[in-house]
Amino acid sequence: AQSVTQPDIHITVSEGASLELRCNYSYGATPYLFWYVQSPGQGLQLLLKYFSGDTLVQGIKGFEAEFKRSQSSFNLRKPSVHWSDAAEYFCAVSPITGGGNKLTFGTGTQLKVEL
Amino acid sequence: DTAVSQTPKYLVTQMGNDKSIKCEQNLGHDTMYWYKQDSKKFLKIMFSYNNKELIINETVPNRFSPKSPDKAHLNLHINSLELGDSAVYFCASSLRDRPYEQYFGPGTRLTVT
Repeated sequence: AQSVTQPDIHITVSEGASLELRCNYSYGATPYLFWYVQSPGQGLQLLLKYFSGDTLVQGIKGFEAEFKRSQSSFNLRKPSVHWSDAAEYFCAVSPITGGGNKLTFGTGTQLKVEL
Repeated sequence: DTAVSQTPKYLVTQMGNDKSIKCEQNLGHDTMYWYKQDSKKFLKIMFSYNNKELIINETVPNRFSPKSPDKAHLNLHINSLELGDSAVYFCASSLRDRPYEQYFGPGTRLTVT
């Protein structure tokens, strides 16, 4: 069964510092990969997605993520964090074939930003 | 203009009651979903409908019954509520051929006392 692991439950960074959130997946073949953000009291918003091709993908709000097949990872990065980035971040996977429309989410990483 | 809306935003009720949560999307999508987010923020799909047809039905108690009157609406009815049903329920929608681009509603926080 496919699974998504986000090893960091909480991360605290200072405003202006760089950020990397880790995501590892376990699946028989490379799935589609996503990062979502959930601001307090809000629903989830899609930050970026990877299907194929260039392993470095750009998303909204200045975020990017790099797919590394050898490490089964899809880590999210941002060079300079803003206070408004404080939120919960979820990595998710979806099978390329079969599996219907199912997204499998990781357990999330809560990001706190110190001013 | 709200893309995916849910009502109510908060729902507090007692064990044994029956309640419904409504979801509407105005994005022209043909597929809708219900997710449950527990107290540890773990998000798990419950149901998915495409053009009023059930296409995903995860292991969910029979007390939960989704109803889709049309492709813009997907309601969730819960019978005989239990303490363990307390969670945030999210509705989402997408196009069937782009299921990975799901748009989420703001969530309904259900508290069962």
